[in-house]
Amino acid sequence: EPEVTQTPSHQVTQMGQEVILRCVPISNHLYFYWYRQILGQKVEFLVSFYNNEISEKSEIFDDQFSVERPDGSNFTLKIRSTKLEDSAMYFCASSGQGYQPQHFGDGTRLSIL
Amino acid sequence: QKEVEQNSGPLSVPEGAIASLNCTYSDRGSQSFFWYRQYSGKSPELIMFIYSNGDKEDGRFTAQLNKASQYVSLLIRDSQPSDSATYLCAVKSSSGSARQLTFGSGTQLTVLP
Repeated sequence: EPEVTQTPSHQVTQMGQEVILRCVPISNHLYFYWYRQILGQKVEFLVSFYNNEISEKSEIFDDQFSVERPDGSNFTLKIRSTKLEDSAMYFCASSGQGYQPQHFGDGTRLSIL
Repeated sequence: QKEVEQNSGPLSVPEGAIASLNCTYSDRGSQSFFWYRQYSGKSPELIMFIYSNGDKEDGRFTAQLNKASQYVSLLIRDSQPSDSATYLCAVKSSSGSARQLTFGSGTQLTVLP
């Protein structure tokens, strides 16, 4: 069964450094998303992406965050200058046409030191 | 502020029993409702989705939706120890093109052998 893949599984970064999280969505999906989950808290929406542009973003997704689809398969989340509070699990998800449900990748655990 | 509320539990049921998980949501215009299962340290895994009032069955799982009461539930029949996990209720925004999911905090289910 097709799945969303994310790399790396764990990223440790010094505060203030840039980090790029990578995702390969399911191949025939059109909508891509990033969510995050701080330890012990809810899954929170960050951003959705369709037709090579951001379609929605939350208050969390400020100027420090950006997303890109650099080629036909990858979807990336960049955090320019990481803060301690960016430490979380980051999940990529994708969905197909219409209102098909979102399928999540295994996540990247981001630890900011 | 769109809210999705779940009883955090923990909910314990004996093996073979029916587990009943409940969720309420604040956005009356919400159209799509999802149940995800999340094992500790893992990503959300789609279990069921429901769009129309009534019941939807898939194997041992039944989702129930009552839009008038803004209530959605998940029943797990013949519960197994492997069903022990946190169950996340997620709701898609009512805004026309919006696809972001708002998650509840999850109900932790333990199935006792």
